[in-house]
Amino acid sequence: DAGITQSPRYKITETGRQVTLMCHQTWSHSYMFWYRQDLGHGLRLIYYSAAADITDKGEVPDGYVVSRSKTENFPLTLESATRSQTSVYFCASSFSQVDYGYTFGSGTRLTVV
Amino acid sequence: RKEVEQDPGPFNVPEGATVAFNCTYSNSASQSFFWYRQDCRKEPKLLMSVYSSGNEDGRFTAQLNRASQYISLLIRDSKLSDSATYLCVVNGRWMNTGFQKLVFGTGTRLLVSP
Repeated sequence: DAGITQSPRYKITETGRQVTLMCHQTWSHSYMFWYRQDLGHGLRLIYYSAAADITDKGEVPDGYVVSRSKTENFPLTLESATRSQTSVYFCASSFSQVDYGYTFGSGTRLTVV
Repeated sequence: RKEVEQDPGPFNVPEGATVAFNCTYSNSASQSFFWYRQDCRKEPKLLMSVYSSGNEDGRFTAQLNRASQYISLLIRDSKLSDSATYLCVVNGRWMNTGFQKLVFGTGTRLLVSP
């Protein structure tokens, strides 16, 4: 299917476990982003990528790792999940930095118990 | 000061009403402006871009005031389906890495009642 897809939609994990959230886009967009959204904070940028093998930290990168070996995939890994990482995670992509907005995936709702 | 500020609302309006939201931004060099809509528990979706001369898309009108650094969204003839959170989005300052990103406001909630 064309577009940007995230998996899983819902995930419950235990504190201390490693968990990976997947993001796949079919547009060959150069730019990809990971956000978390929490009540009272809005969307906060975790990591972004300008192209394959080029990634950089956003506002709240601690505890997260990303990779981008292929243009279409941008997985986000929580190395050792904590309860404070319970959140809704959105992946987004764009073919330009800011000119045309971002398109978001449908999100992953992660609960860390 | 936050880069993008919005009144969180909620704005409660009856069907058919006209409602307006404002948003202020701090980066005087911003060039890209958008309004996004986010339904409960869903992803944000681009509603419309905001152009310098103002622009309209059906019942929605967006305006930009560079001098006062705010953008606005006007919704005419509100529908029940307009109930959502509206996010103001502006490009932020250049980062040390030479990258520029969009900054999202925390949103204004609109509730349209019958």
